[in-house]
Amino acid sequence: GAVVSQHPSWVICKSGTSVKIECRSLDFQATTMFWYRQFPKQSLMLMATSNEGSKATYEQGVEKDKFLINHASLTLSTLTVTSAHPEDSSFYICSARVAGGPLFFGPGTRLTVL
Amino acid sequence: QQQVKQSPQSLIVQKGGISIINCAYENTAFDYFPWYQQFPGKGPALLIAIRPDVSEKKEGRFTISFNKSAKQFSLHIMDSQPGDSATYFCAARGGTSYGKLTFGQGTILTVHP
Repeated sequence: GAVVSQHPSWVICKSGTSVKIECRSLDFQATTMFWYRQFPKQSLMLMATSNEGSKATYEQGVEKDKFLINHASLTLSTLTVTSAHPEDSSFYICSARVAGGPLFFGPGTRLTVL
Repeated sequence: QQQVKQSPQSLIVQKGGISIINCAYENTAFDYFPWYQQFPGKGPALLIAIRPDVSEKKEGRFTISFNKSAKQFSLHIMDSQPGDSATYFCAARGGTSYGKLTFGQGTILTVHP
């Protein structure tokens, strides 16, 4: 299957700082990328959908000013958690697909906010 | 109507046994039903997927059974192995222009040797 990478794999930051997570499709061009959040022993919750060159579409209840998403190219999307707080600590997973194709997930980024 | 309900929440199976995980949905606009396998600390990996025009799909030890009229689908893992121990998520896609997935709650599968 196609490969999606994320960087960093884990990050620890202080409360109030901003953290950027990168998602890259390594061997295909992704027309659409999705960002998910997963708490321990829970399912994946979709945060937002991004299409290259356009603004992200956020799910209900997700603060767009707090979770900034940029899909600058067909192989790169970034999620920036601004002014992070301990309750933002979670496992963030991106996924990518070519139009009409299956969805491939990245390995996830563990964010811990102290 | 966007929900996908998955059961059981956890499942313990002996090595060599059959693991069965069930999912049900309401939205008839869903047109693609994948199953994902997730190991701790890793992202989900696509296992097998089916479309509603097919009642069954088999890939190796993994089989999806699909019942369109009942709006249910299930994953069967034959000859379960300890290495299959993971969390399994069913999902459904369709009804939107971006093709986002709606996930079930997940099933923690433990296969005892």
